Amino acid sequence: DGGITQSPKYLFRKEGQNVTLSCEQNLNHDAMYWYRQDPGQGLRLIYYSQIVNDFQKGDIAEGYSVSREKKESFPLTVTSAQKNPTAFYLCASRPGGGETQYFGPGTRLLVL
Amino acid sequence: SQQGEEDPQALSIQEGENATMNCSYKTSINNLQWYRQNSGRGLVHLILIRSNEREKHSGRLRVTLDTSKKSSSLLITASRAADTASYFCATVLGDSSYKLIFGSGTRLLVRP
Repeated sequence: DGGITQSPKYLFRKEGQNVTLSCEQNLNHDAMYWYRQDPGQGLRLIYYSQIVNDFQKGDIAEGYSVSREKKESFPLTVTSAQKNPTAFYLCASRPGGGETQYFGPGTRLLVL
Repeated sequence: SQQGEEDPQALSIQEGENATMNCSYKTSINNLQWYRQNSGRGLVHLILIRSNEREKHSGRLRVTLDTSKKSSSLLITASRAADTASYFCATVLGDSSYKLIFGSGTRLLVRP
């Protein structure tokens, strides 16, 4: 099946710990995006990447880092600098020349 | 930053009734898209309307766009219980990133 997978579904972070959220797509899409969603809110863009080995900050990049070493993978690391990481994190991809985004099922991050 | 505001924040209707959601935005856009999110899940693209279009249909969905008022509406006709979800508008500006800027969403409950 083609699509976007995110793992894990739930993730728990301890104080001072970095955690990495996985996002993989087998759609051969060029662009990938990471969004954060807080309860009852819309999505806010954290980082995006339009090609391999290149990425740009979104509106709320502080406390997060990404890499894009492979076309199909765009992992997001939530660092200890992110003081309020509890949220629902959504990954999306977009084909080159396309205008719509395809979303994964999300990862819910909770702080212990 | 969130570009759009959606109205109403929540809507409860009876099955078979029509549901109308409105979205306002602040800056000039390339296109406007509507997405649906079932509780705790990823987003699914519903429909895209370009800045030079005024109305678009897809099945039971009708979208209008008024660029002079910087607003859009989504009409779902003959609603079903399965339409219960949150609906988000997202604008795309004129640059090459195709970043989506989301509104805050409308939570729709369709009562059987």
